[in-house]
Amino acid sequence: EAQVTQNPRYLITVTGKKLTVTCSQNMNHEYMSWYRQDPGLGLRQIYYSMNVEVTDKGDVPEGYKVSRKEKRNFPLILESPSPNQTSLYFCASRRPTGELFFGEGSRLTVL
Amino acid sequence: DQQVKQNSPSLSVQEGRISILNCDYTNSMFDYFLWYKKYPAEGPTFLISISSIKDKNEDGRFTVFLNKSAKHLSLHIVPSQPGDSAVYFCAAAARGSQGNLIFGKGTKLSVKP
Repeated sequence: EAQVTQNPRYLITVTGKKLTVTCSQNMNHEYMSWYRQDPGLGLRQIYYSMNVEVTDKGDVPEGYKVSRKEKRNFPLILESPSPNQTSLYFCASRRPTGELFFGEGSRLTVL
Repeated sequence: DQQVKQNSPSLSVQEGRISILNCDYTNSMFDYFLWYKKYPAEGPTFLISISSIKDKNEDGRFTVFLNKSAKHLSLHIVPSQPGDSAVYFCAAAARGSQGNLIFGKGTKLSVKP
C-alpha cells in the first residue's frame, strides 16, 4: 500500500528541547516536502527536497532543518523548538503526475 | 502576498444541491491547479486537478473549471453529500520550476442532510 508515514503523530514538548519528526515514503518518489497547517493560514511549505542530498527552503523555514540522506526518508528537525512552532505538520511526496501524497500529520505542542 | 486565495472560509449547502468552491490566483506562471480535501485528524487527499491547457475537468460528481483570463478556478460538487463535509484546499504550481504547490487557506464545506 502506498504510504507516507510520519512519527510521532502527537507530541508535547518544552521550549528548547530538540526534536525530530520522521517521514518515510514507500513510493520511490524523488520529491518530498514538509508543510505546516495553522488556523486561518492554510498549508505553508517549510522545506522541500527534489532528490537525495538536494533540499531547499520553502515559505516558512525559520527554526527548522531537514536532511535527505536516502530517497525514502525526509526528517524534519527542530533544534530549539519555541511555542510559535506549535502546529500540525504534514509530510508529502510527489507523484510523477504532479500531485502531492500526504502523510496523516503530526500534531506538535511546544510549551 | 497571497498567491492563491480562497476568500470564503466556510460554505454551507443542503444535501443534493450543488456546492461551488472558489479560488483565485495572482501568479500568471501557474499552469497546474489542484483541489485537495481534508477531514479532521487526516492528511489532505488529492481530489482533482486541471492543467492550464484545459478549461474544465470532470471526475464523477466533481468538476473543476479554470478561467485563465480571470485567474479563477472553481470546484463544483453535484450532488453534494454529507460525506463531502470537509475542508477543501485549492493549490497551484508552475511546473516549469520546482513545481512547489502553493495552497490557499481552505474553505470548510458543511453539507446538511
